[in-house]
Amino acid sequence: DIQMTQSPSSLSASVGDRVTITCRSSQSISDDLNWYQQRPGKAPKVLIYAASSLQSGVPSRFSGSGSGTDFTLTISSLQPEDSATYFCQQNHITPFAFGPGTKVHIK
Amino acid sequence: EVQLVESGGGLVQPGGSLRLSCVVSEFTFRNYWMHWVRQAPGQGLVWVSRISNDETSIAYADSVKGRFTISRDNAKNTLYLQLNGLRVEDTAVYYCVRGRPLANRGSDCYLDYWGQGTLVTVSS
Repeated sequence: DIQMTQSPSSLSASVGDRVTITCRSSQSISDDLNWYQQRPGKAPKVLIYAASSLQSGVPSRFSGSGSGTDFTLTISSLQPEDSATYFCQQNHITPFAFGPGTKVHIK
Repeated sequence: EVQLVESGGGLVQPGGSLRLSCVVSEFTFRNYWMHWVRQAPGQGLVWVSRISNDETSIAYADSVKGRFTISRDNAKNTLYLQLNGLRVEDTAVYYCVRGRPLANRGSDCYLDYWGQGTLVTVSS
């Protein structure tokens, strides 16, 4: 099975900061990588699919990149509403594993 | 507006069974692959199972294989998850999720709509 890792596990940043989260897969998954945001008490919401495609309705400050085994999610200018946990997920082959998550705090 | 509404969660003893249901609306259910994803309290997301639109392709996480069964009734716009042999570590919120196809990439590329979840608690 493919294993997903993320770093950091948590971060604290100020409004307006550029934030980068990294996701790594245990084997190549091409660009079959998605990013989700989960706010406390809410269901997850997709931000980025196919590694770099922005889901409709998601602010353009979110972007994704990468292919193979290494991927990044970038928030270009952090906003207060971005306080959440972010998960990557591979859909290359079942079981579709999620990363352990990165919790983003606003200073 | 697309809606997915789960039900069937509750408190059950170890070794017990539950059947989760997810009724969907405002999209053509029979055209979409569907998933179950769970989240233990304070923990991350764990993919559980997936079923194709016509039930010909089914997959499970290793942790639930042989104990859980996914199924669907396209006439009733309903997804199911039968949970047998429940363990304490199965305690979680279970989400019903729609798989989104992408042209030239396949029928099941990302998870675009999520229900609000139903809580399963396994405890003696």
